[in-house]
Amino acid sequence: AQSVTQLGSHVSVSEGALVLLRCNYSSSVPPYLFWYVQYPNQGLQLLLKYTSAATLVKGINGFEAEFKKSETSFHLTKPSAHMSDAAEYFCAVSVTGNQFYFGTGTSLTVIP
Amino acid sequence: DTGVSQDPRHKITKRGQNVTFRCDPISEHNRLYWYRQTLGQGPEFLTYFQNEAQLEKSRLLSDRFSAERPKGSFSTLEIQRTEQGDSAMYLCASSSTSGINSYNEQFFGPGTRLTVL
Repeated sequence: AQSVTQLGSHVSVSEGALVLLRCNYSSSVPPYLFWYVQYPNQGLQLLLKYTSAATLVKGINGFEAEFKKSETSFHLTKPSAHMSDAAEYFCAVSVTGNQFYFGTGTSLTVIP
Repeated sequence: DTGVSQDPRHKITKRGQNVTFRCDPISEHNRLYWYRQTLGQGPEFLTYFQNEAQLEKSRLLSDRFSAERPKGSFSTLEIQRTEQGDSAMYLCASSSTSGINSYNEQFFGPGTRLTVL
């Protein structure tokens, strides 16, 4: 079975500060991993995905994530937070490409 | 706009009534997924179709729930005899099985928010 754990349901950072959102996964086989962002009353938008190519994945809006098999982690980072980054972020894992298993989400607040 | 669309965006109903939601996927996508998202949680998988065939259903999908994709294009999700516990955001997503790894990317619609009074 696959699952993801997102540590920290709420994260606050100052504008211009580093953003770090944590995701740890559990999977018995090599997984595909994803980060999605959700703005209020909207659907999910894909930020980036890991599909067994490069372990450092760059996504949209300056976000990137690094797949670390030894730590079973796929943490999301951005060097400098913008006000527009305030949203809910979800990490997801898939093995078959059919079912996606999502974490419970991390709400990011950016303080001006 | 060629993204995933869902209708209606909001639905308020009384307990015991039936409701139906529609999802129009990206036109060239052959896979379509339904998820349920409750407050403070991530989306939970309900079911998915490849073309018109419903290939997988979650145990969350009780017998009051039924989904169809009759022509392999749009899909409907019906909830019969709604209960207050059905109140949630219902998300639809689509993907394509053509192209390397393309099936791993799901594109989500804006969701239908259901409130059962």
